[in-house]
Amino acid sequence: DSGVTQTPKHLITATGQRVTLRCSPRSGDLSVYWYQQSLDQGLQFLIQYYNGEERAKGNILERFSAQQFPDLHSELNLSSLELGDSALYFCASSFRTSWGTDTQYFGPGTRLTVL
Amino acid sequence: SQQGEEDPQALSIQEGENATMNCSYKTSINNLQWYRQNSGRGLVHLILIRSNEREKHSGRLRVTLDTSKKSSSLLITASRAADTASYFCARVRSRAGYALNFGKGTSLLVTP
Repeated sequence: DSGVTQTPKHLITATGQRVTLRCSPRSGDLSVYWYQQSLDQGLQFLIQYYNGEERAKGNILERFSAQQFPDLHSELNLSSLELGDSALYFCASSFRTSWGTDTQYFGPGTRLTVL
Repeated sequence: SQQGEEDPQALSIQEGENATMNCSYKTSINNLQWYRQNSGRGLVHLILIRSNEREKHSGRLRVTLDTSKKSSSLLITASRAADTASYFCARVRSRAGYALNFGKGTSLLVTP
């Protein structure tokens, strides 16, 4: 158990809908990262927050957004869902963000299926 | 884009044998990390090797790094069925908040 929790574990929805994925980082970790894993694109970095502020963006679509709250949990919002958004979405956390020497601890993921 | 590329894509061995996976990358790194993923589950951190290190061990795992060739290898010795998983190398994106750039992974199958 990494200490990172993600809810829900599974999500099935229809095209055009909006969903929210939630992540609670390990106690004391300030950085939260979101990744998407799909068969065709592999594991891709989406976005990072550090202590409540957006720190870096990766291949995140404009239809997707995220935020990190004062208690450091984070939410990833996916809207106008398309079939191609079906994937595993992982959250990872680390204590800080300096020099990349901190291990990132991954949650179990949320499997999103868009029908 | 995926900066780490693992080779081979798939590897099948018997218990007790050694498994070697390779990773190549394109740009300079501060460090390189290896992760394991059991089928459809979260990633587990295995080893981090810094750019000034050449070799690192953790239990039955041995990671080497050759920065001149921009490559790394992960060796699992005396493999067990429980080692069956996908293995990924990841490069830290130093210009992107130190998020990770993953390769496509090596799928390892260890049969009894």
